[in-house]
Amino acid sequence: QKEVEQNSGPLSVPEGAIASLNCTYSDRVSQSFFWYRQYSGKSPELIMSIYSNGDKEDGRFTAQLNKASQYVSLLIRDSQPSDSATYLCAVKGTTDSWGKFQFGAGTQVVVTP
Amino acid sequence: EAQVTQNPRYLITVTGKKLTVTCSQNMNHEYMSWYRQDPGLGLRQIYYSMNVEVTDKGDVPEGYKVSRKEKRNFPLILESPSPNQTSLYFCASSPHERNYGYTFGSGTRLTVV
Repeated sequence: QKEVEQNSGPLSVPEGAIASLNCTYSDRVSQSFFWYRQYSGKSPELIMSIYSNGDKEDGRFTAQLNKASQYVSLLIRDSQPSDSATYLCAVKGTTDSWGKFQFGAGTQVVVTP
Repeated sequence: EAQVTQNPRYLITVTGKKLTVTCSQNMNHEYMSWYRQDPGLGLRQIYYSMNVEVTDKGDVPEGYKVSRKEKRNFPLILESPSPNQTSLYFCASSPHERNYGYTFGSGTRLTVV
């Protein structure tokens, strides 16, 4: 079982709709969680971080964390063609291993005009 | 400009010929890390470093070496490359803060023939 799991997609979303991406993790003591966006051939770019249960909003992006269910999600509101990319969920190690940072395989999002 | 710089961007080499991929960051970050990215497998952590002279293995360290003699530099060494090390490699850095993610370099596409 992979430690960080995501649906690979592709997730097809009409322009203007909400894209919903999910991620589960296996290490119950994980504390910090991140969402990255990666365009084809480019490096991953950090878009959101979350470490407390509940929702965190930043512009059109909302990250949701449920530590009891070991579940992180990302909502993209008013999806635009420029949001077409692969979205990577990442989980940071615990206090004595903050350098250890594991990624899911990513969910490809395709926003259709 | 704050950045992680890795060189070269593209490299084709032959099996068994030692090579080094350089990585440098100008953000005074404590943590640095190397990842490889392969289709269907996502980003996998090779090694990470918490500070000068302090390194630890990630998930796929076999066949790789690293060193951290200066805070800003973290080279990746392949002493005897093999074709299964053909991949896209990313260097990344992060401050020593719980809720900060890694910042990635532009990537090095390595082909071993």
